[in-house]
Amino acid sequence: EAGVTQFPSHSVIEKGQTVTLRCDPISGHDNLYWYRRVMGKEIKFLLHFVKESKQDESGMPNNRFLAERTGGTYSTLKVQPAELEDSGVYFCASSQEATLVGSNEKLFFGSGTQLSVL
Amino acid sequence: AQSVSQHNHHVILSEAASLELGCNYSYGGTVNLFWYVQYPGQHLQLLLKYFSGDPLVKGIKGFEAEFIKSKFSFNLRKPSVQWSDTAEYFCAVNAPLNTGGFKTIFGAGTRLFVKA
Repeated sequence: EAGVTQFPSHSVIEKGQTVTLRCDPISGHDNLYWYRRVMGKEIKFLLHFVKESKQDESGMPNNRFLAERTGGTYSTLKVQPAELEDSGVYFCASSQEATLVGSNEKLFFGSGTQLSVL
Repeated sequence: AQSVSQHNHHVILSEAASLELGCNYSYGGTVNLFWYVQYPGQHLQLLLKYFSGDPLVKGIKGFEAEFIKSKFSFNLRKPSVQWSDTAEYFCAVNAPLNTGGFKTIFGAGTRLFVKA
């Protein structure tokens, strides 16, 4: 079974440019999450999709960040325009259950995208 | 707001030493607790989890964690570490959302280095 895949693994861009990160969750997983880790700090929640719907985007830093999950399959996270403080590792994770019953569900993580904004 | 606090950012041990990594969470409701591990160059993966029942949870590779509700703690332990345990360890809590889903909140991580 394929795991969660993220592309690209690394991205180096200049301030003001646009970057789009992609995440392909495990097939059949309704839940898709984006997280970010900045400079050795905690892995911070960004947002949560259940299928194609955004359930919680309370962690999105500002309106320069736009996440989509068209068709409920893969997801993209676009940063436009990128700023220096956006640098970090962006993780995607997925899990199967979408209900409270499944709140003991573990997350399956991708390997992350290392974003460097210069 | 829910949060997870890990007591140590860096831990250095010699092989065969005992390990205890502290984790406290702030959330008054029903929680599910996790320890995830990231070995060098690998994905984050689940080490163990607590859902209900016995508060002492056994995980992979000889790790265990104890849920103490009164202390809001979920400390990770291993009696005798090996060089291959060198990794970064993250404590996490699943908190239910009003929408019926859940959100996983992570601590800042503890980097463990085991000297051979």
